[in-house]
Amino acid sequence: AQTVTQSQPEMSVQEAETVTLSCTYDTSESDYYLFWYKQPPSRQMILVIRQEAYKQQNATENRFSVNFQKAAKSFSLKISDSQLGDAAMYFCAYRSAGAGSYQLTFGKGTKLSVIP
Amino acid sequence: DTGVSQDPRHKITKRGQNVTFRCDPISEHNRLYWYRQTLGQGPEFLTYFQNEAQLEKSRLLSDRFSAERPKGSFSTLEIQRTEQGDSAMYLCASNEQGWSTDTQYFGPGTRLTVL
Repeated sequence: AQTVTQSQPEMSVQEAETVTLSCTYDTSESDYYLFWYKQPPSRQMILVIRQEAYKQQNATENRFSVNFQKAAKSFSLKISDSQLGDAAMYFCAYRSAGAGSYQLTFGKGTKLSVIP
Repeated sequence: DTGVSQDPRHKITKRGQNVTFRCDPISEHNRLYWYRQTLGQGPEFLTYFQNEAQLEKSRLLSDRFSAERPKGSFSTLEIQRTEQGDSAMYLCASNEQGWSTDTQYFGPGTRLTVL
């Protein structure tokens, strides 16, 4: 079974600075998807960024980018120019690319605080 | 596109009572998922529907839990004889078959408290 580990329960960043959230995963599969989801306080979870394992190029979405290291099974999220609205729980998630396997496996999350 | 909706948003019940939650997916999304999230944890997969067929169930889904998706539209999750350990946030997500990246869109969740 796949597992996802987020080793930083809490992180803080100064507004306008850059922060990196860590995620490692364990799998024996070669093809899969990785996601970062954001869950603001009392609000629903939204997708931040996604990465297909077969793509070598790291995904980017505006201020959000990932460092995907397939051999190391590492998938970190970098948030540049942090804003107050970035404060939330961030979850790393894994999904197999195999047919019929659509469930997401989540890490325990990292709580990000943004300091004005 | 109004997003995934869930009802109720909060439910408080006494141990031993039955509860039912509803999820309305994004229209035309044929896949629907239920997850459970306890305090301090990430969501854990419970079950998955493609149209009206329940195709996958987690071992977390005990016999007291049942989910349905009649006509492949909304879904209900029922918990019978609730226990204090059932207290959690129950999340619903949906997506559309055929998207290569299969992004799941989440609802706001139903927070269950069992006294």
